[in-house]
Parts: sequence; structure tokens; C-alpha cells
Amino acid sequence: NAGVTQTPKFRVLKTGQSMTLLCAQDMNHEYMYWYRQDPGMGLRLIHYSVGEGTTAKGEVPDGYNVSRLKKQNFLLGLESAAPSQTSVYFCASRQPDASGPYNEQFFGPGTRLTVL
Amino acid sequence: AQKITQTQPGMFVQEKEAVTLDCTYDTSDQSYGLFWYKQPSSGEMIFLIYQGSYDEQNATEGRYSLNFQKARKSANLVISASQLGDSAMYFCAMRERYGGSQGNLIFGKGTKLSVKP
Repeated sequence: NAGVTQTPKFRVLKTGQSMTLLCAQDMNHEYMYWYRQDPGMGLRLIHYSVGEGTTAKGEVPDGYNVSRLKKQNFLLGLESAAPSQTSVYFCASRQPDASGPYNEQFFGPGTRLTVL
Repeated sequence: AQKITQTQPGMFVQEKEAVTLDCTYDTSDQSYGLFWYKQPSSGEMIFLIYQGSYDEQNATEGRYSLNFQKARKSANLVISASQLGDSAMYFCAMRERYGGSQGNLIFGKGTKLSVKP
């Protein structure tokens, strides 16, 4: 099992360019998440999905769009990149809780994005 | 208001000594979980340990233990016998059973631990 994979690992964009980050998981998880990590800020939730065809906004959704057309994939799009979107992006997945709040959340390796 | 507070931006510990990383949290849920993750310089997020709000015993995983004090809303991570490979960022996180965003993990800002030889 590959777990959670992210493509690409690194990317440099110019302001105004667009791109899509791909997250794939092979654990048949229902829930998937996109986070961004900035220095001194910890991880903040951008968007999430609770199943194929569903998406919802997290804490910092502005400037991003997402799609979950297939259960195993969760795409994060930047339509017009801005320098403020320079960050490390993490995808994560987990199963819903059968009981109680524990189910380990598995993270991808991250994508380091720089917007010039 | 911050839900997860890690008050130590950076800490140093001598190799083979124990170290405690602080974490306090804020929630009105009765059912929640607390997690610790390690992020080495390579960048990946590594799950270390979990504590449920109803767990009576403190969680332990090898050299990691979680000092859970529910009344004080603290969930400190204790690393025993520190090793050079423990040098990393450590994040405390919480999941609320009835919180928004379908039980998303809420992260603290992290503590950078440096182990000195």
C-alpha cells in the first residue's frame, strides 16, 4: 500500500498562474482533507470531503477550489496563484469514526509550492 | 480563541534525558481525542500517540507517553531517553467528536525540539 501520495512534490509558479495538486489514497478512506502549513502557524484546513462528490470549506478556503470525483482522489486547484499561497500543502485521509473521535489521520508527504 | 496552545516554540534537551512538550486545549465537547505528531526536517507528518477524553490511563507508545490532565485541559508529551533522531517539530492536535469540519484535526503551532549530543 502506498498510503497517501501527493503530486507534485515541488512547484514554482508565477503570480496569476494556475495549477492543480493531486492527492491519492489507496486505503478506501471516506474522508479527505487539504491543509496548508506556514511557518509558525501549524497546519490549517483549506477544504475537506466526506465522500465522493462532496466537498466543504475549511478554515482558509479563499483562493482554492477542490473536487472529489473519485473516492480515492482529492484535487486542490489554484485558479490564479498569489504569493500569499506560498506554503507547504498536505493532504490527509481517514475513515469516519465508528465510535468516539479516534481514527488515525494519514498524511501525504506534502507539496512545497512557491509563488513568485 | 486558540483551541490548541503550545507555549514552547523551541526546546533543547540533552541526549538520553527526558523532555516534556506542553500542550493545552480548549473544548466544550465531552468526547474528543488528542494527538501528537512529529515532523522531522524531511517534512512528513508522523503520528506518535493518541489519548481519548474518556481514557482513564495515560497513553504510552514506546518512549512516548502522554501526560493527560483532563481537569487542567492539558496533554503534554513526554519523550524518555531522548535520541538525536528525536530532533524535529512536534505538533499537538485535537479532534472534537461534534466539532465542525467532520472531526478535522485542529493543530497547535508546534514546538521545535533539538537534542544535543
